[in-house]
Amino acid sequence: GQNIDQPTEMTATEGAIVQINCTYQTSGFNGLFWYQQHAGEAPTFLSYNVLDGLEEKGRFSSFLSRSKGYSYLLLKELQMKDSASYLCAVFQAGTALIFGKGTTLSVSS
Amino acid sequence: GAVVSQHPSWVICKSGTSVKIECRSLDFQATTMFWYRQFPKQSLMLMATSNEGSKATYEQGVEKDKFLINHASLTLSTLTVTSAHPEDSSFYICSARTGPYNEQFFGPGTRLTVL
Repeated sequence: GQNIDQPTEMTATEGAIVQINCTYQTSGFNGLFWYQQHAGEAPTFLSYNVLDGLEEKGRFSSFLSRSKGYSYLLLKELQMKDSASYLCAVFQAGTALIFGKGTTLSVSS
Repeated sequence: GAVVSQHPSWVICKSGTSVKIECRSLDFQATTMFWYRQFPKQSLMLMATSNEGSKATYEQGVEKDKFLINHASLTLSTLTVTSAHPEDSSFYICSARTGPYNEQFFGPGTRLTVL
């Protein structure tokens, strides 16, 4: 089976940096995705890590440690529009993406 | 590229009726399509995996006779919610991929409200 954990809610202020953690336990692993989802909309792709280390993409970065079963999404220079749910999803080749419960981030001014 | 569409985007129906939701890959051929369901403030829960030309594989707890899935072509999968009830009200999202090692692309979702 699979178990994916991430915090339920986080709050931060504009301009700040926030780190959303995700831990996972899976029987097979071929990568980890982060998605952003605004209320009432489908998730949109943010990042994909398959090797250990940090992947940077603009204001967003994602880190993976396969040995620890751990990933984080780092959001810099937070903006109000970053208020959304952030979903960690594990990819096993040949099967569907399995999602964590998501972290709702609230950014205040 | 890699666009997935869903139709309708929202639907309201009476309890006891059936509703069909279409999922199309517009610019690629999807060997596999997935159907997810999302209740308010919860994450996406996989309902079933659909491979073109074969029967869908349902996740534990999902009634296959209630949620009928047809994947008749490499660009179209349909989900029919039969005899819908208010507890079936949810956000249904499909996704598609071209191969087992490839990225899943998500449709925009369908909001179903059963009165």
